[in-house]
Amino acid sequence: KAGVTQTPRYLIKTRGQQVTLSCSPISGHRSVSWYQQTPGQGLQFLFEYFSETQRNKGNFPGRFSGRQFSNSRSEMNVSTLELGDSALYLCASRLRAVATYEQYFGPGTRLTVT
Amino acid sequence: AQRVTQPEKLLSVFKGAPVELKCNYSYSGSPELFWYVQYSRQRLQLLLRHISRESIKGFTADLNKGETSFHLKKPFAQEEDSAMYYCALSGQGGATNKLIFGTGTLLAVQP
Repeated sequence: KAGVTQTPRYLIKTRGQQVTLSCSPISGHRSVSWYQQTPGQGLQFLFEYFSETQRNKGNFPGRFSGRQFSNSRSEMNVSTLELGDSALYLCASRLRAVATYEQYFGPGTRLTVT
Repeated sequence: AQRVTQPEKLLSVFKGAPVELKCNYSYSGSPELFWYVQYSRQRLQLLLRHISRESIKGFTADLNKGETSFHLKKPFAQEEDSAMYYCALSGQGGATNKLIFGTGTLLAVQP
């Protein structure tokens, strides 16, 4: 099976702009989670989607939003970018939205905000 | 509050030495604990989880509920073990399925 794919792999944006990141889960996986990875904070949970519904949300401002499509692909959007949004954004998919199922991570999208 | 603490940012050992990566957690309930590893230029991947109680690549981790710890151990470190290790916690069921990660420990195995 193909692994989790994320596009684009690298992005450079200017403060105030918005950005959309895409994640395609492993075929058959219906749960997609998003994480922000930074050197100082490590990995922080953004949100999780299962069958097009947001099931869980982390402590991020409303500028961070996401959605999931009927084919389980997911997008996350960050509006009004700030310098502090520079990070590696990871998505992970799993078969079911239950903790005991292994999450498979994508390679990440490296976002740089200037 | 749900929290995972990895007190060491960097752990440097020599090849053949024992390794112990510390992880403590805070969670009111019965959590599920995981160790994830990220090798250089590779994706984050699951190393092991407490419910499986298995040894992966020579690593083991025992959940100690009394001490709220889930330390990762290996008796003899290998150079290929050098990587970033993350301890993670998840609740059981419902709205607590998210993974909460520690800040990670970089393991450097010297030859």
